Amino acid sequence: DVKVTQSSRYLVKRTGEKVFLECVQDMDHENMFWYRQDPGLGLRLIYFSYDVKMKEKGDIPEGYSVSREKKERFSLILESASTNQTSMYLCASSLSSGQAYEQYFGPGTRLTVT
Amino acid sequence: AQKVTQAQTEISVVEKEDVTLDCVYETRDTTYYLFWYKQPPSGELVFLIRRNSFDEQNEISGRYSWNFQKSTSSFNFTITASQVVDSAVYFCALESLPYRDRDDKIIFGKGTRLHILP
Repeated sequence: DVKVTQSSRYLVKRTGEKVFLECVQDMDHENMFWYRQDPGLGLRLIYFSYDVKMKEKGDIPEGYSVSREKKERFSLILESASTNQTSMYLCASSLSSGQAYEQYFGPGTRLTVT
Repeated sequence: AQKVTQAQTEISVVEKEDVTLDCVYETRDTTYYLFWYKQPPSGELVFLIRRNSFDEQNEISGRYSWNFQKSTSSFNFTITASQVVDSAVYFCALESLPYRDRDDKIIFGKGTRLHILP
């Protein structure tokens, strides 16, 4: 079974703090993704990575950065958290090689910024 | 720009009824992939089906079936004889390749919340 794990299920941070969300997958997938999920807005892609040290902006990258130093790990960084970044954050991974394959999702991190 | 529309925000049906969830997409690409995912109350999204743009065959998996029609840009999902365990939010998604140098790579619909009433 593919496993995508996220470092925390729930996180509470203060405005201005630096926040790290970690994601690890154990299936040697090339692609990894970070989404945020908000009521009424569905899933929106923040960043994704198709290889180690490679990253591409998604639809809403502002206020976020990412890091992929190892194939299995993809980190989302909020440099200075703001209240409008309160949301559910979902990490996913998928195979690559010329096609679009299904994504495997982690359980999500519910981040509250106060 | 690519777009996925799930016009039904919320649907309630009584158990054992059939229900169809609509998904309409827009893309200028000839090669693309469509997906359905289920998000149960526990929260973790689960993959249901993947279709590429060259495969218009409908698919049936148990009580689930999918109708892909390029002529109407639709990829609808039907649950036959619904059960309470089918209660979830269902997302339709569109991906086009290659990812690089694209403005819109992976687009999810806003989801349809399905309530199956006992």
